[in-house]
Amino acid sequence: SYDLTQPPSVSVSPGQTATITCSGNKLGDKYVCWYQQKPGQSPVLVIYQDTKRPSGIPERFSGSNSANTATLTISGTQAVDEADYFCQAWDSGTEVFGPGTKVTVL
Amino acid sequence: EVQLVESGEGLAQPGGSLRLSCAASGFSFSDKTMHWVRQTPGRGLEFVSSISTNGDHIYYADSVKGRFTISRDNSKNTLYLQMGSLRAEDMAVYYCAIEGDFCLDVWGQGTTVTVSS
Repeated sequence: SYDLTQPPSVSVSPGQTATITCSGNKLGDKYVCWYQQKPGQSPVLVIYQDTKRPSGIPERFSGSNSANTATLTISGTQAVDEADYFCQAWDSGTEVFGPGTKVTVL
Repeated sequence: EVQLVESGEGLAQPGGSLRLSCAASGFSFSDKTMHWVRQTPGRGLEFVSSISTNGDHIYYADSVKGRFTISRDNSKNTLYLQMGSLRAEDMAVYYCAIEGDFCLDVWGQGTTVTVSS
């Protein structure tokens, strides 16, 4: 099976940049998605195809993917961005999720 | 507005059955591959099953293969998950979701499945 690894937590000050990584074998050869999930809510897609933002997602969310690591960057982090973030890739026709990273805005 | 509304939440005994439904609206349901994904505190998000637009292509996670059956009724804009031989490890919040460009574009609000005697 294909495994994705994420740091359990990331802390960031308001207005600063939060960087969340997602690692997997040759992940750069796959498309990566990122989801935001707030407590008690369902996941929301914030990045698709490595770098694209769905309609309605703020420009401060950006993504990249190369070699074995994909990265979600939140620039100018706001308190409303405090949430769990999950990466996702496809393997053998089905989706695989990372364990999630809790972003805390201090 | 695109909406997915799951139902069928409930308590089942180990070895029992439960059927989940996902009512879709606001988009052309028959044109979209649909997924079931579950979430637990311990295992995080986990693919359960997916079904193509006309049901020709169906995938299951190994953990549910032979016990769960996914289906859809395009005339009713509804996705189903028939769950059988339930185990404690099937306890989770179950989400239905729309497959988009290599991602799950929209998720339902989730429905909770409890397996306990």
